[in-house]
Amino acid sequence: EAQVTQNPRYLITVTGKKLTVTCSQNMNHEYMSWYRQDPGLGLRQIYYSMNVEVTDKGDVPEGYKVSRKEKRNFPLILESPSPNQTSLYFCASSLNLGGEQYFGPGTRLTVT
Amino acid sequence: QQQVKQSPQSLIVQKGGISIINCAYENTAFDYFPWYQQFPGKGPALLIAIRPDVSEKKEGRFTISFNKSAKQFSLHIMDSQPGDSATYFCAARRIAPSGTYKYIFGTGTRLKVLA
Repeated sequence: EAQVTQNPRYLITVTGKKLTVTCSQNMNHEYMSWYRQDPGLGLRQIYYSMNVEVTDKGDVPEGYKVSRKEKRNFPLILESPSPNQTSLYFCASSLNLGGEQYFGPGTRLTVT
Repeated sequence: QQQVKQSPQSLIVQKGGISIINCAYENTAFDYFPWYQQFPGKGPALLIAIRPDVSEKKEGRFTISFNKSAKQFSLHIMDSQPGDSATYFCAARRIAPSGTYKYIFGTGTRLKVLA
């Protein structure tokens, strides 16, 4: 089944404790992206990647890192999480630039 | 110029009724306008999309109406069903200076269809 998977689905952590949210797609898509969804703000792009080893900042990149060492994986790294990063995170992929985006099921992160 | 304004924030419709969600934008560089449907606990999924050279697109019970001069587009759900209860996001796409595409999302509309 073609899909985007994220892990974990739920995470509660404390301020400053490094964490990684994994994202994997099995559709051989070139383009991958991370979004955060907050009430009243919709989805905002954090980082994106156009291909292996090619990443760039989205609209709200502060406090986040990403890497793209393999085409299928695009992990989101929070080196020192803060409470304002409490949010619902979505990974998305598309076959190419501008193509239909397929979203993962989301990761609900709470930072206390 | 970056924003896409979506209304209403929430909507309650009787089964069989018409649900209408509106979006407005400022940036004339947007070239593609998708609507996403999101069920609780799931990621958004593409529902229907339109390009600005078309004034209307229909897929089953879902229709996008697009008014280029007013910079507005709307989603109409005909014969709304309880299974349509979800959050709907409009979005607009443009080419960023880096050469990639950027999607700007509306703030979402939570639709509840009463049985």
